[in-house]
Amino acid sequence: GENVEQHPSTLSVQEGDSAVIKCTYSDSASNYFPWYKQELGKRPQLIIDIRSNVGEKKDQRIAVTLNKTAKHFSLHITETQPEDSAVYFCAASRNNFNKFYFGSGTKLNVKP
Amino acid sequence: NAGVTQTPKFRILKIGQSMTLQCAQDMNHNYMYWYRQDPGMGLKLIYYSVGAGITDKGEVPNGYNVSRSTTEDFPLRLELAAPSQTSVYFCASSQDRGVTEAFFGQGTRLTVV
Repeated sequence: GENVEQHPSTLSVQEGDSAVIKCTYSDSASNYFPWYKQELGKRPQLIIDIRSNVGEKKDQRIAVTLNKTAKHFSLHITETQPEDSAVYFCAASRNNFNKFYFGSGTKLNVKP
Repeated sequence: NAGVTQTPKFRILKIGQSMTLQCAQDMNHNYMYWYRQDPGMGLKLIYYSVGAGITDKGEVPNGYNVSRSTTEDFPLRLELAAPSQTSVYFCASSQDRGVTEAFFGQGTRLTVV
C-alpha cells in the first residue's frame, strides 16, 4: 500500500516568517494530495489540495507544490500568523481507490 | 447541513467492555471511513465503506467491526475493549473515491482503563 512520510514533526517559526512542510509518497499511481489542518481538540479540515496534473496551487497565503518525478509535495505558508498554529497533515490517494493515506503530522507553532 | 456527526464525544470503558461509536452524515456521500489518531501520530484507517452493504478493512482493523445498512450511518463496534484502543476516533465521508475532500466528524475520545 501507499506510504506517506512527513517532515518535520514539529516546526517553530516567528510570526511573519514562512513555513514549509514536506511529504513524500511511495505509490506512483497516487494522484490526489490534500492537506488538512487540525487545531487543538478539533476535527481535521481541508485547507488546500492538488492533483497530479498540476505542479503548484495557491490560495492566499498558502501554496502546495508537487514533484511527481521525485514523489514529493510540500505545503508553504507565507506571512505566518499565530492562528496558523496547529497540526498539519498531508495525505495521498488515487483514482479507483478508496483510501486516503495520511502522514504523521507536523505541529506548527507560530510565535508572536 | 450538519455534515458528519459522531457520538459520543467522550467515553471511558473498562477492559473487556464493548461499545458502538456512532457516525452519521447528511451529505449523501457514498464513501465513509473510520480513523484512529494516537497521540503525536497521524490518522490510521480502521475500516471504510464504499456504499450501503459494502465494507472493507483498512490498515488497523483488529478489534473492530463495522456495518453499513444505510448511506447515512456507519457505526464502529469495539468488542472486548483493550488499553491499546485508547485513542481519538474520527469518522469521515467523501463524495468520491478518495479523490475529493474528506469531511471529518468532531471525533470521539475513548479511554480504556
